[in-house]
Parts: sequence; C-alpha cells; structure tokens
Amino acid sequence: SQKIEQNSEALNIQEGKTATLTCNYTNYSPAYLQWYRQDPGRGPVFLLLIRENEKEKRKERLKVTFDTTLKQSLFHITASQPADSATYLCALDTSNYQLIWGAGTKLIIKP
Amino acid sequence: DTGVSQDPRHKITKRGQNVTFRCDPISEHNRLYWYRQTLGQGPEFLTYFQNEAQLEKSRLLSDRFSAERPKGSFSTLEIQRTEQGDSAMYLCASSFVNLEQGKLFFGSGTQLSVL
Repeated sequence: SQKIEQNSEALNIQEGKTATLTCNYTNYSPAYLQWYRQDPGRGPVFLLLIRENEKEKRKERLKVTFDTTLKQSLFHITASQPADSATYLCALDTSNYQLIWGAGTKLIIKP
Repeated sequence: DTGVSQDPRHKITKRGQNVTFRCDPISEHNRLYWYRQTLGQGPEFLTYFQNEAQLEKSRLLSDRFSAERPKGSFSTLEIQRTEQGDSAMYLCASSFVNLEQGKLFFGSGTQLSVL
C-alpha cells in the first residue's frame, strides 16, 4: 500500500541554522509533491509544490528537493527563526488532484 | 476576508447527538474537500465535491457521515449519532482544478469533542 513517512520526532534547531525535514514514500510515483505548514489549532497552509521533473524549488528561505529515484523529498529552511516553529506536512498527489498526507514533523527553533 | 471559513470553530456534543458543520470556500474555487485530522496525524480524506457533484467519498467513511454542497457554493458535513471516536478536527479545503496542480486552501477547522 502507499505509505508516506516523515520524521515522527520533533526536530530541535538553533536559531539561524538550517532546518532539514524529510519526506519518504513507498509504492508510489507521484507527479508532484507539496509541503504545508500547520500551526496548532489551525488548518495547513500551502508553502511549495515541486513536480516530478523538477529537482529543486526555492521560495525565499525555503528550498525543496525531489528525488524520484530515492522516493524522497527534503524541505530546508535556511536562517531559521523562532517564528518558523510549526508542524510541516508533506503531501503527494494521487490521481485526479487528490492528496495523501504524511503525519508531519514538528519543528522547534530555539532562540 | 476571502479565505476559506468554517463554522463553528469548536463543537462539544454528547454521544448519540447529530452535529452539522459548515464550510464556505473561496468563491472562485470549484473543488471543495473535507478532511479529518487527529492529533499527531496528517489530514485524512473524507470526501470532495467538484462544483455541486460529490465525486468521491472515502471507503472508510461511515454511513453516519454525509456531506452536501448545494448550488456548488458552501458545503455542510453532518455526523449522525456521534461516537467518541468521531472526536477530531474537521478541516475543509478548496481549490481550483487545473490551476496550481491542486494546491489546497484550508479553513481553520472545526474541533469536535464527543463526550
């Protein structure tokens, strides 16, 4: 069955450092992958989308890579700030624009 | 405010009662999704509409759950005879098909607690 794995343990990063989050998937070949941010008690907020034929995508301090051979996406936040603390979710498309979701990784940026 | 809005934000009910949630999507979006999320998990797909048509419903979804989207605008999700296991955050999202490959815009959710 299709499976998406994200770091289940919280990731603690010192302010100013680069945070790297991992999303691995099995039994699947998505056409694209999305990353969302979710704050407690709120709905997810879209951050970045990367297509299967793209190796890397950037937006300000964010960078996403997509390796379809390894079946892995990495999400980087450079020059991290305490305001970046949140849970980050990856989501993969199925057919017809449906998404399946990872459980998310909680990121904590320490001042 | 042109985002997705959900009402109510919180709902506490007793087991066996019926509850109904409302979602108002972004007006130009033609797709509307309902998800359920429990603590420490990602959103779990429940159902989605394209305009007023309900195109897919999760096979895991109990018959106690029903959703409507009259006239392709707002949507309601009803849970009949609630059970404690229904306690979760219910999220609504909307998107415009063929634009941004299904990028979703979420509401803030309705937190349901079944006592």
